Amino acid sequence: SFVLTQPPSVSVAPGQTARITCGGNNIGGQSVHWYQQRPGQAPMLVVYDDSDRPSGIPERFSGSNSGNMATLTISRVEAGDEADYYCQVWASSSDQGVFGTGTKVTVL
Amino acid sequence: ELQLTESGGAVVQPGGSLRVSCAASGFNLNDHNMHWVRQAPGKGLEWVSLLSWDGGSTYYADSVKGRFTISRDTGKNSLYLQMNSLRIDDTAFYFCATHEDSYSAYDRSLDFWGPGTLVTVSS
Repeated sequence: SFVLTQPPSVSVAPGQTARITCGGNNIGGQSVHWYQQRPGQAPMLVVYDDSDRPSGIPERFSGSNSGNMATLTISRVEAGDEADYYCQVWASSSDQGVFGTGTKVTVL
Repeated sequence: ELQLTESGGAVVQPGGSLRVSCAASGFNLNDHNMHWVRQAPGKGLEWVSLLSWDGGSTYYADSVKGRFTISRDTGKNSLYLQMNSLRIDDTAFYFCATHEDSYSAYDRSLDFWGPGTLVTVSS
C-alpha cells in the first residue's frame, strides 16, 4: 500500500520558517492536501491541491509538490501554529485514502 | 453552512458490533463523496472508508475490509459506519468528512469534518 512519511517533529523559533516534508513514491504526480490538528480538535485543511489555500488560511502557509516529496512551509511562525500536521492523498493505485505519519510542530 | 455531527460512539467488547452515525446539515449528503477517518488516542490519522456520491461505490482501508460497512440513509441525510468483529486496535475517535463541492473526484481535499465520536473496544 501507498505510504507517506513525515518527520515526527519539527521545532522552530517564532518568526522563523518551518518546513514539513511528506515523502512518497512519485507523490509529485498526485494532489496533496495538508491538515492542521490542535489537541482535542478535528483536523482542519490548511493547503489543498499541493499549494492552494482555503479561504481564511493565512498566506504564511504554502505548499509545493514534486518528485517524491511534498512540502508544507509555514513562514513567520507564530505560537498559534503549534499543532500536528498531516499530508494526505488519494492513492488511485489501490483506491484508498492515505494520511502521512504526522508531524508535531513545536514553537520554541 | 455545511456541518457534520457524529454520534453513536460507545464502549464495546472485543468481537462485538457497533454502528456510528454522521448527520449532515446544510447540504445534501447524496451529492457528496463521504469519508470516515479515525484516530486512535495519541496516534495519527487513518483513513477508513469512502462512499461515492452516487452511492454506487465503496472503498475501505485494508485494516477494516470485510469487517466494516459504510452506508447512508438519504431520507435522514445521514452516513453510517457499521463495525463488526471489533478489535482492541479499532479503539479510536471516528470522524466523518467531505469535500465542499458536489460530484467531486475522490482525490479532492477533506474540507469539512465533524467533531468525532469515540469508540472504545475493551473487555
